[in-house]
Amino acid sequence: DTGVSQDPRHKITKRGQNVTFRCDPISEHNRLYWYRQTLGQGPEFLTYFQNEAQLEKSRLLSDRFSAERPKGSFSTLEIQRTEQGDSAMYLCASSFFRGADTQYFGPGTRLTVL
Amino acid sequence: KQEVTQIPAALSVPEGENLVLNCSFTDSAIYNLQWFRQDPGKGLTSLLLIQSSQREQTSGRLNASLDKSSGRSTLYIAASQPGDSATYLCAVRPGGSQGNLIFGKGTKLSVKP
Repeated sequence: DTGVSQDPRHKITKRGQNVTFRCDPISEHNRLYWYRQTLGQGPEFLTYFQNEAQLEKSRLLSDRFSAERPKGSFSTLEIQRTEQGDSAMYLCASSFFRGADTQYFGPGTRLTVL
Repeated sequence: KQEVTQIPAALSVPEGENLVLNCSFTDSAIYNLQWFRQDPGKGLTSLLLIQSSQREQTSGRLNASLDKSSGRSTLYIAASQPGDSATYLCAVRPGGSQGNLIFGKGTKLSVKP
Protein backbone atom coordinates (compact mmCIF):
# COMPACT_ATOMS: atom_id res chain seq x y z
CA ASP A 1 0.00 0.00 0.00
CA THR A 2 1.81 3.09 -1.26
CA GLY A 3 -0.86 5.63 -0.36
CA VAL A 4 -2.41 8.26 -2.61
CA SER A 5 0.05 9.70 -5.12
CA GLN A 6 -0.21 12.88 -7.17
CA ASP A 7 1.77 14.12 -10.14
CA PRO A 8 3.30 16.60 -10.63
CA ARG A 9 4.06 17.91 -7.16
CA HIS A 10 4.65 21.42 -8.46
CA LYS A 11 3.50 23.17 -11.62
CA ILE A 12 4.30 26.69 -12.76
CA THR A 13 2.44 27.94 -15.78
CA LYS A 14 1.60 31.15 -17.55
CA ARG A 15 -1.88 32.60 -17.52
CA GLY A 16 -3.99 31.19 -20.32
CA GLN A 17 -2.22 27.83 -20.54
CA ASN A 18 -3.90 24.49 -19.88
CA VAL A 19 -2.66 22.19 -17.12
CA THR A 20 -3.49 18.61 -16.16
CA PHE A 21 -2.91 16.89 -12.83
CA ARG A 22 -3.00 13.18 -12.08
CA CYS A 23 -4.05 11.32 -8.95
CA ASP A 24 -3.54 7.62 -8.23
CA PRO A 25 -5.71 6.49 -5.32
CA ILE A 26 -5.04 3.71 -2.88
CA SER A 27 -5.79 0.46 -4.66
CA GLU A 28 -9.24 -0.99 -3.89
CA HIS A 29 -10.55 2.49 -2.97
CA ASN A 30 -13.69 3.13 -4.98
CA ARG A 31 -14.16 6.79 -4.04
CA LEU A 32 -11.91 9.62 -5.21
CA TYR A 33 -12.16 13.29 -4.28
CA TRP A 34 -10.54 16.52 -5.49
CA TYR A 35 -10.09 19.52 -3.18
CA ARG A 36 -8.42 22.91 -3.57
CA GLN A 37 -6.58 24.69 -0.78
CA THR A 38 -5.36 28.28 -0.76
CA LEU A 39 -2.94 29.74 1.76
CA GLY A 40 -4.33 29.95 5.27
CA GLN A 41 -7.58 28.17 4.38
CA GLY A 42 -8.88 24.68 4.79
CA PRO A 43 -9.36 22.53 1.68
CA GLU A 44 -12.51 23.17 -0.35
CA PHE A 45 -14.34 20.36 -2.12
CA LEU A 46 -14.28 20.39 -5.93
CA THR A 47 -15.62 17.06 -7.18
CA TYR A 48 -16.04 13.40 -6.31
CA PHE A 49 -16.13 10.05 -8.11
CA GLN A 50 -17.49 6.70 -7.11
CA ASN A 51 -15.78 4.22 -9.38
CA GLU A 52 -15.80 5.93 -12.78
CA ALA A 53 -18.95 8.01 -12.20
CA GLN A 54 -18.60 11.68 -11.29
CA LEU A 55 -21.36 12.03 -8.72
CA GLU A 56 -20.96 15.52 -7.33
CA LYS A 57 -19.42 18.81 -8.40
CA SER A 58 -18.99 21.96 -6.36
CA ARG A 59 -20.01 25.38 -7.62
CA LEU A 60 -16.28 26.15 -7.37
CA LEU A 61 -15.74 23.91 -10.37
CA SER A 62 -16.15 26.37 -13.21
CA ASP A 63 -16.51 25.39 -16.87
CA ARG A 64 -12.74 25.66 -17.22
CA PHE A 65 -12.29 22.69 -14.90
CA SER A 66 -12.88 19.10 -15.94
CA ALA A 67 -12.17 15.87 -14.13
CA GLU A 68 -12.19 12.27 -15.29
CA ARG A 69 -11.68 8.88 -13.77
CA PRO A 70 -11.52 6.37 -16.61
CA LYS A 71 -12.14 2.78 -15.59
CA GLY A 72 -12.45 3.83 -11.97
CA SER A 73 -8.70 3.88 -11.38
CA PHE A 74 -6.56 7.03 -11.59
CA SER A 75 -8.11 10.46 -12.06
CA THR A 76 -7.10 13.58 -13.93
CA LEU A 77 -8.05 17.19 -13.24
CA GLU A 78 -7.63 19.61 -16.14
CA ILE A 79 -7.78 23.37 -15.89
CA GLN A 80 -8.16 25.21 -19.18
CA ARG A 81 -7.14 28.84 -19.77
CA THR A 82 -5.59 29.16 -16.33
CA GLU A 83 -6.03 32.36 -14.35
CA GLN A 84 -3.94 33.74 -11.49
CA GLY A 85 -6.82 32.94 -9.13
CA ASP A 86 -6.33 29.26 -9.90
CA SER A 87 -3.03 29.30 -7.99
CA ALA A 88 -3.53 26.89 -5.11
CA MET A 89 -2.70 23.43 -3.78
CA TYR A 90 -4.82 20.78 -5.46
CA LEU A 91 -5.39 17.80 -3.20
CA CYS A 92 -6.69 14.37 -4.06
CA ALA A 93 -8.15 11.93 -1.56
CA SER A 94 -9.53 8.41 -1.76
CA SER A 95 -11.68 6.21 0.42
CA PHE A 96 -13.34 2.83 0.45
CA PHE A 97 -17.06 3.19 0.88
CA ARG A 98 -17.65 0.62 3.57
CA GLY A 99 -17.85 1.41 7.25
CA ALA A 100 -15.90 4.48 8.33
CA ASP A 101 -15.16 5.76 4.83
CA THR A 102 -12.01 7.55 6.05
CA GLN A 103 -10.51 9.83 3.40
CA TYR A 104 -6.78 9.51 2.80
CA PHE A 105 -5.06 12.42 1.13
CA GLY A 106 -2.19 12.63 -1.32
CA PRO A 107 0.72 15.11 -1.06
CA GLY A 108 -0.97 17.60 -3.38
CA THR A 109 0.00 19.48 -6.54
CA ARG A 110 0.97 23.09 -6.00
CA LEU A 111 -0.05 25.22 -8.98
CA THR A 112 1.40 28.68 -9.57
CA VAL A 113 -0.07 30.73 -12.40
CA LEU A 114 2.11 33.66 -13.46
CA LYS B 1 -25.12 25.81 4.99
CA GLN B 2 -22.64 23.92 7.12
CA GLU B 3 -19.76 26.01 8.48
CA VAL B 4 -16.80 24.78 10.50
CA THR B 5 -14.84 27.03 12.84
CA GLN B 6 -11.62 26.25 14.65
CA ILE B 7 -10.36 28.13 17.67
CA PRO B 8 -7.67 29.21 18.32
CA ALA B 9 -6.15 29.97 14.93
CA ALA B 10 -2.68 29.54 16.41
CA LEU B 11 -1.31 28.11 19.61
CA SER B 12 2.19 27.99 21.08
CA VAL B 13 2.96 25.76 24.05
CA PRO B 14 6.08 24.45 25.80
CA GLU B 15 6.99 20.81 25.33
CA GLY B 16 5.22 18.42 27.68
CA GLU B 17 1.99 20.38 28.04
CA ASN B 18 -1.40 18.84 27.48
CA LEU B 19 -3.54 20.87 25.10
CA VAL B 20 -7.00 21.06 23.58
CA LEU B 21 -7.97 22.18 20.10
CA ASN B 22 -11.55 23.19 19.44
CA CYS B 23 -13.83 22.71 16.46
CA SER B 24 -17.43 23.85 16.09
CA PHE B 25 -19.95 23.27 13.33
CA THR B 26 -23.27 24.93 12.64
CA ASP B 27 -25.42 21.99 11.51
CA SER B 28 -25.60 18.97 13.81
CA ALA B 29 -26.75 16.70 10.98
CA ILE B 30 -23.37 15.17 10.25
CA TYR B 31 -22.31 11.71 9.11
CA ASN B 32 -18.87 11.85 10.72
CA LEU B 33 -16.10 14.20 11.79
CA GLN B 34 -12.43 13.77 10.97
CA TRP B 35 -9.29 15.38 12.40
CA PHE B 36 -6.25 15.84 10.17
CA ARG B 37 -2.70 17.04 10.56
CA GLN B 38 -0.96 19.08 7.85
CA ASP B 39 2.74 19.86 7.77
CA PRO B 40 3.86 22.97 5.83
CA GLY B 41 3.50 22.52 2.09
CA LYS B 42 2.32 18.93 2.48
CA GLY B 43 -0.88 16.95 2.17
CA LEU B 44 -3.18 15.93 5.02
CA THR B 45 -2.64 13.03 7.38
CA SER B 46 -5.77 11.51 8.90
CA LEU B 47 -5.57 11.36 12.71
CA LEU B 48 -8.98 10.30 13.97
CA LEU B 49 -12.47 9.78 12.58
CA ILE B 50 -15.57 9.87 14.80
CA GLN B 51 -18.85 8.55 13.49
CA SER B 52 -21.96 10.55 14.35
CA SER B 53 -23.07 7.82 16.76
CA GLN B 54 -19.79 7.88 18.68
CA ARG B 55 -18.69 10.19 21.49
CA GLU B 56 -14.91 9.82 21.27
CA GLN B 57 -11.97 8.13 19.61
CA THR B 58 -8.43 7.59 20.89
CA SER B 59 -5.14 6.96 19.16
CA GLY B 60 -1.97 7.05 21.22
CA ARG B 61 -1.60 10.50 22.79
CA LEU B 62 -4.60 11.82 20.84
CA ASN B 63 -8.20 11.81 21.97
CA ALA B 64 -11.05 13.34 20.00
CA SER B 65 -14.53 13.91 21.38
CA LEU B 66 -17.78 14.74 19.62
CA ASP B 67 -20.88 16.45 21.00
CA LYS B 68 -23.13 16.47 17.98
CA SER B 69 -26.06 18.20 19.65
CA SER B 70 -23.97 21.21 20.59
CA GLY B 71 -21.98 21.15 17.35
CA ARG B 72 -18.59 20.74 18.98
CA SER B 73 -15.53 18.52 18.83
CA THR B 74 -12.26 18.72 20.70
CA LEU B 75 -8.87 17.20 19.98
CA TYR B 76 -6.85 16.54 23.10
CA ILE B 77 -3.09 16.07 22.74
CA ALA B 78 -1.31 14.70 25.79
CA ALA B 79 2.34 15.38 26.65
CA SER B 80 2.99 17.50 23.55
CA GLN B 81 6.28 17.13 21.66
CA PRO B 82 8.06 19.40 19.15
CA GLY B 83 7.18 16.86 16.46
CA ASP B 84 3.51 17.64 17.05
CA SER B 85 4.06 21.10 15.54
CA ALA B 86 1.76 21.34 12.51
CA THR B 87 -1.62 22.68 11.45
CA TYR B 88 -4.56 20.64 12.71
CA LEU B 89 -7.69 20.62 10.59
CA CYS B 90 -11.19 19.55 11.55
CA ALA B 91 -13.61 18.41 8.84
CA VAL B 92 -17.23 17.30 8.93
CA ARG B 93 -19.04 15.14 6.43
CA PRO B 94 -22.61 16.49 6.27
CA GLY B 95 -25.41 14.00 6.69
CA GLY B 96 -26.89 13.03 3.36
CA SER B 97 -23.83 14.18 1.43
CA GLN B 98 -22.09 11.94 -1.04
CA GLY B 99 -18.90 12.14 0.96
CA ASN B 100 -17.38 15.58 0.54
CA LEU B 101 -15.81 17.06 3.66
CA ILE B 102 -16.23 20.63 4.90
CA PHE B 103 -13.10 21.91 6.58
CA GLY B 104 -12.27 24.55 9.14
CA LYS B 105 -9.31 26.85 8.59
CA GLY B 106 -7.18 24.94 11.05
CA THR B 107 -5.21 25.59 14.22
CA LYS B 108 -1.48 26.13 13.78
CA LEU B 109 0.29 24.46 16.71
CA SER B 110 3.86 25.20 17.72
CA VAL B 111 5.43 23.10 20.48
CA LYS B 112 8.64 24.65 21.76
CA PRO B 113 11.45 22.50 23.21
